[in-house]
Amino acid sequence: AQSVAQPEDQVNVAEGNPLTVKCTYSVSGNPYLFWYVQYPNRGLQFLLKYITGDNLVKGSYGFEAEFNKSQTSFHLKKPSALVSDSALYFCAVRVPVGEYGNKLVFGAGTILRVKS
Amino acid sequence: DTGVSQDPRHKITKRGQNVTFRCDPISEHNRLYWYRQTLGQGPEFLTYFQNEAQLEKSRLLSDRFSAERPKGSFSTLEIQRTEQGDSAMYLCASSSVAANSPLHFGNGTRLTVT
Repeated sequence: AQSVAQPEDQVNVAEGNPLTVKCTYSVSGNPYLFWYVQYPNRGLQFLLKYITGDNLVKGSYGFEAEFNKSQTSFHLKKPSALVSDSALYFCAVRVPVGEYGNKLVFGAGTILRVKS
Repeated sequence: DTGVSQDPRHKITKRGQNVTFRCDPISEHNRLYWYRQTLGQGPEFLTYFQNEAQLEKSRLLSDRFSAERPKGSFSTLEIQRTEQGDSAMYLCASSSVAANSPLHFGNGTRLTVT
């Protein structure tokens, strides 16, 4: 079955330091991977996706993610964390549905806390 | 704002009552999804529509749950005879049919069953 795992329940980082939120995947075939962020009492906001091409994907709000096929990982990164980045982050993998559709299967999420 | 809209934002109901939630997707999006999210968990897929056709339902979607998208625009999710275990955030998302287009989520309906 197609799945993603987020091994850390919580990541703590000081403001201005680089951050990494980890994600590993298990898929058959080519992986299509996504990162979303969720603020309290809000829906999920799309950050970035990897479909094919460059292993380093750039997304919204200065975030980027590195796809590593040999390690089956898709870690989210940001060079300099902001307090406002504190939120819940989800990694997801696309799973085909029927002939043309697809759905996303999400990890359990990682809480990011950035302290000033 | 032309994002995904969900109504109501919050719903408190007594066990055994029926509830209905509404989702208005982004207008040009053909695909519509319902997810359920409980505290400390990632969203779990419930069902998927392409236009008015319901193409997949999760095993999580018991016979007390029904979803419709009658004209391929807005969708409703009904839960009959609610149980305390139904308490969760119900998220709606939509996407275009373009390959690998991301899902755009609404802010959800938080259901509390007392």
